[in-house]
Amino acid sequence: SQTIHQWPATLVQPVGSPLSLECTVEGTSNPNLYWYRQAAGRGLQLLFYSVGIGQISSEVPQNLSASRPQDRQFILSSKKLLLSDSGFYLCAWRDRGYGYTFGSGTRLTVV
Amino acid sequence: DQQVKQNSPSLSVQEGRISILNCDYTNSMFDYFLWYKKYPAEGPTFLISISSIKDKNEDGRFTVFLNKSAKHLSLHIVPSQPGDSAVYFCAADTGGYQKVTFGIGTKLQVIP
Repeated sequence: SQTIHQWPATLVQPVGSPLSLECTVEGTSNPNLYWYRQAAGRGLQLLFYSVGIGQISSEVPQNLSASRPQDRQFILSSKKLLLSDSGFYLCAWRDRGYGYTFGSGTRLTVV
Repeated sequence: DQQVKQNSPSLSVQEGRISILNCDYTNSMFDYFLWYKKYPAEGPTFLISISSIKDKNEDGRFTVFLNKSAKHLSLHIVPSQPGDSAVYFCAADTGGYQKVTFGIGTKLQVIP
C-alpha cells in the first residue's frame, strides 16, 4: 500500500534561518507530489507541485522553493524564513480516484 | 478569486442530528468533487467524493449531493457523532490537470 512520510512534525525556527522539510512516498512510482500550506483562516493553499524528478511548478510567489531530487522525494526549502512563513505544511501525492493522500503535516512557527 | 467557497466557517450540531456542510464553486470546468476531514495537527483525510455525472453519492453516514446548475454541493452527516468534530474541506478537480482546489474549510462541532 502507498504511504507518505513527512517530517519533522513540529519546528520552531528564528526569522532569517533556513528551512528544509522533507516528504517521501512509498508504494508508488512516478507520483504527482504537492506542497500545501494551511494558514489561519486561509484554508489549504497550493504552494508547489511536481510531476517528475526535477520538475517543479510554483503556484504562488513566495519565500519558499521546492525540489524533487528523487522520484519519491519532495523537499520544501527556504534560505531565510519570514514570520509570514508560519503555518501548517502538508505534503500530498495524487491518487486520481481519491484526490490527494496527505502526509501528517509539519507545524512551522517562525519566531 | 476563490473558485471553491465554503461560506460557513463553523457549525455546531447536537449529537444524533444531521450536519449539513455547504460548498459553492464558480468554475464550470470542475468535474470531480471531494470532501476531506481534518483533525488538528493532522493531515486531511479523504472522506467522500462525487463525479459531476452524478447528483448523489452515499457512504454510510455520509452523503454528498451535487447540484450542477446551482454550482453547489453539500455534505450530509447523519447521525452526527462527537468524533465527527473536525474541519471539513470541500475540494474540486478539473480532471485535466492534477491540481485540486480547496475551500477554506468549515469547522464542525458535534455536541454530546
